Amino acid sequence: ETAVFQTPNYHVTQVGNEVSFNCKQTLGHDTMYWYKQDSKKLLKIMFSYNNKQLIVNETVPRRFSPQSSDKAHLNLRIKSVEPEDSAVYLCASRLGNQDTQYFGPGTRLLVL
Amino acid sequence: QQQVRQSPQSLTVWEGETAILNCSYEDSTFDYFPWYWQFPRESPALLIAIRPVSNKKEDGRFTIFFNKREKKLSLHITDSQPGDSATYFCAASVGDNSKLIWGLGTSLVVNP
Repeated sequence: ETAVFQTPNYHVTQVGNEVSFNCKQTLGHDTMYWYKQDSKKLLKIMFSYNNKQLIVNETVPRRFSPQSSDKAHLNLRIKSVEPEDSAVYLCASRLGNQDTQYFGPGTRLLVL
Repeated sequence: QQQVRQSPQSLTVWEGETAILNCSYEDSTFDYFPWYWQFPRESPALLIAIRPVSNKKEDGRFTIFFNKREKKLSLHITDSQPGDSATYFCAASVGDNSKLIWGLGTSLVVNP
């Protein structure tokens, strides 16, 4: 099956903990993204990687860090989570010469 | 400053009516305008897109009308169906499309 896969689906944690989210795409794409979608459905791009290189790095708190081992994987680590980090984190991918971004199912984070 | 604006924030129509969703933008260099839709508990997916070389793009019941001079576009959904109920995002990008600028979305409800 070719798609964008994310794990975990859902994660509940306490303030101050560290979390990691995984994203893998089997579409053969070379560009991957992390978005944050809040409870009002506002979509904010956080990071974008092209062939393992960071090309977009929006203004996000330093506790967020992306990690790319190869062009098919883009993980997101959050050190010391805070309540405002509660959101759905969406991973997406795109082939460089095409326009469409394909989204994964998302990871819903709840910080208590 | 929101570079891509959408209105209305929410819209309710009856089945069979035409729903009109509006989008406007600031940056005249934008050259790609996709509309994504997102169903409840799902991820965004591309619905239809247009480039400024055209002022209209049609795909079945979905049509984008584009006005480059006024920097406005609209998505018309004819013969609206309850299954069209979703949040619709207008987005824009320039150049290699590495970064999409997203609107805040319009929540559409189609009542049977």
